[in-house]
Amino acid sequence: KAGVTQTPRYLIKTRGQQVTLSCSPISGHRSVSWYQQTPGQGLQFLFEYFSETQRNKGNFPGRFSGRQFSNSRSEMNVSTLELGDSALYLCASSATGAEAFFGQGTRLTVV
Amino acid sequence: DAKTTQPNSMESNEEEPVHLPCNHSTISGTDYIHWYRQLPSQGPEYVIHGLTSNVNNRMASLAIAEDRKSSTLILHRVTLRDAAVYYCILKREGGANNLFFGTGTRLTVIP
Repeated sequence: KAGVTQTPRYLIKTRGQQVTLSCSPISGHRSVSWYQQTPGQGLQFLFEYFSETQRNKGNFPGRFSGRQFSNSRSEMNVSTLELGDSALYLCASSATGAEAFFGQGTRLTVV
Repeated sequence: DAKTTQPNSMESNEEEPVHLPCNHSTISGTDYIHWYRQLPSQGPEYVIHGLTSNVNNRMASLAIAEDRKSSTLILHRVTLRDAAVYYCILKREGGANNLFFGTGTRLTVIP
């Protein structure tokens, strides 16, 4: 079966702009989580959605937001981009919660 | 969330077994021990998880100390493709799917 798909794979944006990243989970998975990975901070949890509701949120400013659609696809949005937002953004989907399946990520560069 | 402690790096010769340790002295009774790995330029990949008993799957074995304050991921015969960062994570089963990654152990495999 198809894995977790994230689009786009690469993105370059200018400071102050906003960006939307997309994640299509594995079919049947209702939980989608988002993570940010940077060389300095490592992998950090952003938020999790389950059945269109945000179930948990990490310690990130309000500029980072997300949503989940009825088909479980999820988007995350970052507004007013800062240079420090340059990172690999990873999405993971899960059915039972025991095992998370990660996508290959979207590499965002803010210039 | 309970924290885990892992060595920053380890090396192994190809086709040798590798034991990757993890300390989690503040683990609670409902915390499962999960292991993920991240190969270069890829998202993390689930390896194995367990609660109290030792676990085996096609990828690895997980040995859990009797007091559950430490565990060891055992890779039986490593190949160059096993070179990755290995993360030991505590997760409450049935709860939100938010994985808190530490710094992990970077495994280098020597041909």
